[in-house]
Order: sequence, then C-alpha cells, then structure tokens
Amino acid sequence: GNSVTQMEGPVTLSEEAFLTINCTYTATGYPSLFWYVQYPGEGLQLLLKATKADDKGSNKGFEATYRKETTSFHLEKGSVQVSDSAVYFCALSDRVGSEKLVFGKGTKLTVNP
Amino acid sequence: EAGVAQSPRYKIIEKRQSVAFWCNPISGHATLYWYQQILGQGPKLLIQFQNNGVVDDSQLPKDRFSAERLKGVDSTLKIQPAKLEDSAVYLCASSLDSGAGYTFGSGTRLTVV
Repeated sequence: GNSVTQMEGPVTLSEEAFLTINCTYTATGYPSLFWYVQYPGEGLQLLLKATKADDKGSNKGFEATYRKETTSFHLEKGSVQVSDSAVYFCALSDRVGSEKLVFGKGTKLTVNP
Repeated sequence: EAGVAQSPRYKIIEKRQSVAFWCNPISGHATLYWYQQILGQGPKLLIQFQNNGVVDDSQLPKDRFSAERLKGVDSTLKIQPAKLEDSAVYLCASSLDSGAGYTFGSGTRLTVV
C-alpha cells in the first residue's frame, strides 16, 4: 500500500541554521503531497502542499518540491527560528476523491537561540 | 471562521471502561475524519464520513470502536471497552469536497490505565 518515510528525529539546530527534513513516498498513481506542522499542545496545521510533479509548495519560508523521479518531497528552510520548533509530518493523499491522508512518523525539530 | 472543535481535551479512564469523544467540524464542511495518533507515530485514519455516510472505515477496530455523524454535522467516536493500547490522541478533521485540504481540531488525549 501507499506509505511515507520520513527522516528520523529529533533534529536540533541553532537559530538561522539551514533546515532539511527528508521525505520519500511509495504510491500507486499520482498522489498529492503535504507537510503538516504540529506545535506543542496544538492540532495539525497544513504548512504546504504540492499536487503534481515539479510543483513547489511554499509557506512561511518553508519550501518543498514534488520530485516524481526520486519519489521525494523534502522540506527546507534557509534560516530557522526558535518559533519553528515543532513536529513536522510529511503526508500523501491516498486515493483520488477520498482525500485520505497517509502520514509519516513525524520529525521533531528543536531550534535553540 | 471558527475551527474544528473537539472535546474533551483530556481523558483518563481505566481499561475496560467506555469513553466518547465529540467533534464539531467547520460549518459547511461535508467531509469529516477521525484519526488516531499514537505517541511517536503519525496519525492513522480511523473513519471518514461524507455528510452522514461512511466513506472509509477499513482501519476502525469495529469490535470496540464506533462512530456516528448524525445529521451530517457533529460526530462522536466511542470506544467500548477501552484497552491500554488505545492510549493516543484522537484527532478530528474536516474538509470541503474541493481538495482544499483538511482543518484539524486540537485533539483529545486519551490515557487508558
């Protein structure tokens, strides 16, 4: 079945460092890809998405490009802030019409001042 | 717009007891999802409703879990009897049918002792 594999955490960075969180997927067909963020004590929030190959999703300085050839959707940010500390989940939509989301295990990011 | 409301925020019960969670989706959102998020893992879909009909309940443990969405608005998820492995955060989400993505509630954290 469809699945998402995410870089294991936790990840600890200093403020203004470059961030990459790797995500690869296995899917039949052409899924949509998502990054969700979960701040402490809060629900999941959509960070960015891409619906077809070569699309780039971006939001709040974060970017990810849908790479069909490498089945990847890596999350990047050029300069992280303390407020970016959270758990990040990569996900794909399982079936057209259903919009069921399949999630990776999540990567905890801690940014130190 | 108001977000997805869930209650209670926290619940502690003993094994073999029953528990119920409530979700009020965003007004006008036809699709409602219940996800289970076990500590250290990504959320897993339990059940998906389209209005008041079930679209996908393939991963719902039907011997102990049940869910309903009367009148296509609010939804309740029930566990009876609870097991220790049911300890998790139960997330409710809703979406329009347009593929615009989900909005998640803050979740209910269940601890079974």
